Amino acid sequence: EIVMTQSPATLSVSPGERATLSCRASQSISSNLAWYQQKPGQAPRLLIYAASTRATGIPARFSGSGSGTEFTLTISSLQSEDFAVYYCQQYYNWPKTFGQGTKVEIK
Amino acid sequence: EVQLVESGGDLVQPGGSLRLSCAASGFTFSSHWMHWVRQAPGQGLVWVSHISGDGSNTRYADSVKGRFTISRDNGKNTLYLQMNSLRAEDTAVYYCARDSSAWFDPWGQGTLVTVSS
Repeated sequence: EIVMTQSPATLSVSPGERATLSCRASQSISSNLAWYQQKPGQAPRLLIYAASTRATGIPARFSGSGSGTEFTLTISSLQSEDFAVYYCQQYYNWPKTFGQGTKVEIK
Repeated sequence: EVQLVESGGDLVQPGGSLRLSCAASGFTFSSHWMHWVRQAPGQGLVWVSHISGDGSNTRYADSVKGRFTISRDNGKNTLYLQMNSLRAEDTAVYYCARDSSAWFDPWGQGTLVTVSS
């Protein structure tokens, strides 16, 4: 099973600032990585797939990068609605494992 | 609009059973693999099970293997999760999700399963 490790666990950021979230895979997964956003009491929402492709309707301030074992989700200028928990997921092989999440909170 | 709506969550005693349902609409249900993912209170996302479009291929997380059964009725556009021998550690919100070329999109709103005496 591929283990996905996200860092940091919590990121405190002021509105308008840049947020950088990291995700590391225990083995190479090429670009087979997705990012999801989850707000309290809501279901996860797809943000990014194939490591860097934004899903339909996702604002351009969200960007993904990386390949192999190291990946990054960047939110260029945090808006109030972006404070949430973000999960990465590998779909290189089964089971399709998730990271433990990074909570982005208001500083 | 693509939509997934779960139901069936409840409070159940340890050792009990429960069947979750996920009603799909807005897409060709039989063309997509489907998944169940759970989230224990305050915890992260954990994949539970998946099923192929025609129902012939299924897989389970080790933690539920032998106790949970995933199935689907393509005529009713509905996904199921039969959960037997429930344990306290099965307490979670259970989400169904569509497999869209490997990633999960969209997700249902979730249904809460609480296992407690």
